[in-house]
Amino acid sequence: AQTVTQSQPEMSVQEAETVTLSCTYDTSESDYYLFWYKQPPSRQMILVIRQEAYKQQNATENRFSVNFQKAAKSFSLKISDSQLGDAAMYFCAYRDIIQGAQKLVFGQGTRLTINP
Amino acid sequence: DGGITQSPKYLFRKEGQNVTLSCEQNLNHDAMYWYRQDPGQGLRLIYYSQIVNDFQKGDIAEGYSVSREKKESFPLTVTSAQKNPTAFYLCASSITDRWDQPQHFGDGTRLSIL
Repeated sequence: AQTVTQSQPEMSVQEAETVTLSCTYDTSESDYYLFWYKQPPSRQMILVIRQEAYKQQNATENRFSVNFQKAAKSFSLKISDSQLGDAAMYFCAYRDIIQGAQKLVFGQGTRLTINP
Repeated sequence: DGGITQSPKYLFRKEGQNVTLSCEQNLNHDAMYWYRQDPGQGLRLIYYSQIVNDFQKGDIAEGYSVSREKKESFPLTVTSAQKNPTAFYLCASSITDRWDQPQHFGDGTRLSIL
């Protein structure tokens, strides 16, 4: 079974600095998707960024980018120019496709604090 | 605007009682999902449904039941067999023919024991 591990339960960063959140996963599949979701105190799950395993280029969305190392099964999230609104729980997720439905496997999450 | 509506936002269950959490979507998505989130943990899949009148167990289905009579609706019943139901429950949906599209989530229901 696929597993996702986030080894940093908590991280903190000064406003305007850069922070990297770690994620590793285990799978025997060759094609899959990886996601980072943000969960602010409102508890909404907000998609931050996605990466398809077949694409070698790392995904980027404005201040958010990933470092995807397929061989190492590593998928870290870099947040540049951190803002107070970035404070949230961040979840890494692996997606498999089962009979047309998506099965998401989540890591335990990393709580990110932004210090003003 | 299209989205997923979960109700109620907060729910309390008495001992031995079944309770039902509502999930409605107007995104025209075929697939729908239920997740459970415990404090300090990630989401775990309870049940999912790819199409009307069909659903499959996820990783932690014991003590839960679902139905999918309409494309828009996927209610979750927490039965009295679920001995530790206190958690945050999230409903999600997705299309089934575009693998690059992610799941969309509702705002969740917090269930507590009285």
